[in-house]
Amino acid sequence: NAGVTQTPKFRVLKTGQSMTLLCAQDMNHEYMYWYRQDPGMGLRLIHYSVGEGTTAKGEVPDGYNVSRLKKQNFLLGLESAAPSQTSVYFCASTWGWRDSEQYFGPGTRLTVT
Amino acid sequence: AQSVTQLDSQVPVFEEAPVELRCNYSSSVSVYLFWYVQYPNQGLQLLLKYLSGSTLVKGINGFEAEFNKSQTSFHLRKPSVHISDTAEYFCAVTYTGNQFYFGTGTSLTVIP
Repeated sequence: NAGVTQTPKFRVLKTGQSMTLLCAQDMNHEYMYWYRQDPGMGLRLIHYSVGEGTTAKGEVPDGYNVSRLKKQNFLLGLESAAPSQTSVYFCASTWGWRDSEQYFGPGTRLTVT
Repeated sequence: AQSVTQLDSQVPVFEEAPVELRCNYSSSVSVYLFWYVQYPNQGLQLLLKYLSGSTLVKGINGFEAEFNKSQTSFHLRKPSVHISDTAEYFCAVTYTGNQFYFGTGTSLTVIP
């Protein structure tokens, strides 16, 4: 099993450009999450999904959109990138029970110039 | 607001010395606590988790943590660290299973 994979691993965007980050998991997990990691701030939740076709906002959702059309995939979109969105983005998934831990992807390093 | 506080942003420690990384969380009736480790340029991996029962939880790589409800703490300990333990450590909590709240991380540096 590949676990949680993220595409791409690195990306450089110019301000105003758009892009989509893809997260895929092969563990049949119900819940999926997108986080951003910034120095000194830990992981902050952007959006999450508790099942196919559902999404919800997390702590820092502004400037991002998500979709979960298939259970195994969770897409994160930036419609108009800003330098403040320069970060490392992590996807995670879990069964959704309260006692189940999250499984993380390797991360995507995004730079917006 | 529900939150997790990691009191130390950086912890240097000599090889083979003991270490404790501190974590405090917002109080709640029920809580599930986790410690994750992140090696450079990698995602997070689970070290251990507290769900219920015994307050002393053992994890991988010789780490353990103690849940203290009265002090709302979940400190991570290891009796003897190795160079390979150099990494970033994150404490996390969930109350409902929907959302997880992470601390800001503690950078552990093991000095030879």
